[in-house]
Amino acid sequence: DVKVTQSSRYLVKRTGEKVFLECVQDMDHENMFWYRQDPGLGLRLIYFSYDVKMKEKGDIPEGYSVSREKKERFSLILESASTNQTSMYLCASSRRPRASPDYTFGSGTRLTVV
Amino acid sequence: DAKTTQPPSMDCAEGRAANLPCNHSTISGNEYVYWYRQIHSQGPQYIIHGLKNNETNEMASLIITEDRKSSTLILPHATLRDTAVYYCIARVTGNQFYFGTGTSLTVIP
Repeated sequence: DVKVTQSSRYLVKRTGEKVFLECVQDMDHENMFWYRQDPGLGLRLIYFSYDVKMKEKGDIPEGYSVSREKKERFSLILESASTNQTSMYLCASSRRPRASPDYTFGSGTRLTVV
Repeated sequence: DAKTTQPPSMDCAEGRAANLPCNHSTISGNEYVYWYRQIHSQGPQYIIHGLKNNETNEMASLIITEDRKSSTLILPHATLRDTAVYYCIARVTGNQFYFGTGTSLTVIP
């Protein structure tokens, strides 16, 4: 089975801290994604990547950046954490092509910024 | 890209069929309909997808209307473990999925 592993299940950080959320997948998937999930808003796409060193903005990239130095790892970076970034963060990966249904999600990281 | 509309919540009695509707009136000819579900505190899980024809797998059935403007996900014998948020997606731009707010299904004992 494809596994997408997010490094932390729960995280508490202080306002202004630089925060790294790590995601690793073990099935050689080309595509990786970061979403955040908030009550009443569903899942919103932050950034995605189709290949190493490539990145594309999703719907809500402001306040975030990403890094994909290796195919299996996709990092989400909060340069200066703020309280409005308190949320559940979900990483996903998939193969190409575009009709492939094999989006596999990690279990999520619940980030609280205080 | 097609927008989808789902009811925010539904209840279903345990053992009965759960029928979850989705409207996607602006779907284009090459856009698939996908269904995912998210059980509390977990990441979304793929259920089923289809283009034109009805589809069935071990988890569910997907009924797509002939004009493709709507679809229904059917869980034939709902169990308590089917309580989850169900997402219908008919919008694929490149490789990324865009999720809406889904339908919160509660299976009642």
